[in-house]
Amino acid sequence: GENVEQHPSTLSVQEGDSAVIKCTYSDSASNYFPWYKQELGKGPQLIIDIRSNVGEKKDQRIAVTLNKTAKHFSLHITETQPEDSAVYFCAARGTSPSGSARQLTFGSGTQLTVLP
Amino acid sequence: GAVVSQHPSRVICKSGTSVKIECRSLDFQATTMFWYRQFPKKSLMLMATSNEGSKATYEQGVEKDKFLINHASLTLSTLTVTSAHPEDSSFYICSAGEWGGSYEQYFGPGTRLTVT
Repeated sequence: GENVEQHPSTLSVQEGDSAVIKCTYSDSASNYFPWYKQELGKGPQLIIDIRSNVGEKKDQRIAVTLNKTAKHFSLHITETQPEDSAVYFCAARGTSPSGSARQLTFGSGTQLTVLP
Repeated sequence: GAVVSQHPSRVICKSGTSVKIECRSLDFQATTMFWYRQFPKKSLMLMATSNEGSKATYEQGVEKDKFLINHASLTLSTLTVTSAHPEDSSFYICSAGEWGGSYEQYFGPGTRLTVT
């Protein structure tokens, strides 16, 4: 099965700086890679995702890059703000021939702290 | 994005009783829903995959007789923790995905279960 590793486990940055979180996956058949933000006591919120047919995707201050050859993908947050502080999870999922939804395999999470 | 709700958000029950948690997709039909369990400062652990109109698929080590899952409609899945014990205390989160095409999986806000 799929195995996803995520680093670092904790990350502290100054407000305005950039933050980068990296994940690797093991199953070369995986083709969908979402990132979730989880605030304390809440469910994960999808913030950005990327599919294997593109190498980069950007949404305002958030970007994700994917290197299929190396089987790793990264989350980049620029101009960080205190409200970006949360736990971030990466995930990977393959697909069945029928196109039905498949389960996600999650990374271990990164606690991001943005210091004012 | 799509909205998934969970009810209740918090529940406290006595040891030996059963608790039902509801997961609803509010603005889309979810042929597949997933139930996760999350321990403090840990990643999400998939418990089972719930398919509308059929039996749930449980992950290894998850007792299907203890965690009963019913996905009776395209918008509702329920998780019943039977004969709850203090070690069942946890944060339970559901997610839902649409059939084919779209790979996005949306999470509910979670249910905090405390068994006394």
